[in-house]
Amino acid sequence: AQTVTQSQPEMSVQEAETVTLSCTYDTSENNYYLFWYKQPPSRQMILVIRQEAYKQQNATENRFSVNFQKAAKSFSLKISDSQLGDTAMYFCAFMAANQGGKLIFGQGTELSVKP
Amino acid sequence: GAGVSQTPSNKVTEKGKYVELRCDPISGHTALYWYRQSLGQGPEFLIYFQGTGAADDSGLPNDRFFAVRPEGSVSTLKIQRTERGDSAVYLCASSPTRLAEGDTQYFGPGTRLTVL
Repeated sequence: AQTVTQSQPEMSVQEAETVTLSCTYDTSENNYYLFWYKQPPSRQMILVIRQEAYKQQNATENRFSVNFQKAAKSFSLKISDSQLGDTAMYFCAFMAANQGGKLIFGQGTELSVKP
Repeated sequence: GAGVSQTPSNKVTEKGKYVELRCDPISGHTALYWYRQSLGQGPEFLIYFQGTGAADDSGLPNDRFFAVRPEGSVSTLKIQRTERGDSAVYLCASSPTRLAEGDTQYFGPGTRLTVL
């Protein structure tokens, strides 16, 4: 069975600074996908960034980038130039390539961006 | 176009009652997922539909939980004889392709169920 672990329940960062959220996972699968989702107080999960395990290049989306270390089973999210609107719960999620799209989520990290 | 919608947004019921939670996926999306999110936790998978059929219901906690998607679009999650431990936010998500794996899932705002 796959598991996803986020070891930082809460993080805070000053506006305009950079913050890194950690995620590790455990799997015996070789083909899979990794995601970071953001959940603001409105509850709606919003995709931040995704990574295919077969790609060595780290994914980037504007101010968001990942550090994907396949051998270490690590998938951290870096947020640059943090904005007040980045305040939310962030969930790391794993999807095996042969399990129909089922997402396995970590426990979440609550990020606060302070002015 | 519209995103995933869920109704009701909040539902309060008494222990032992029956509840139905509805999900309207994005038009044309073939895959539909239900997740349950307890307070302070990440979402947990319940069931996945590909079209009208349940492709994977391994996450349903027991036989009090059942879900349908009779016409391949709207889905209803049904909970019989509700218990206080069923209190959670129930999230629905959809994704566009028949293959589903690797697809981005688009989530609705969830239904907060409170069982008194």
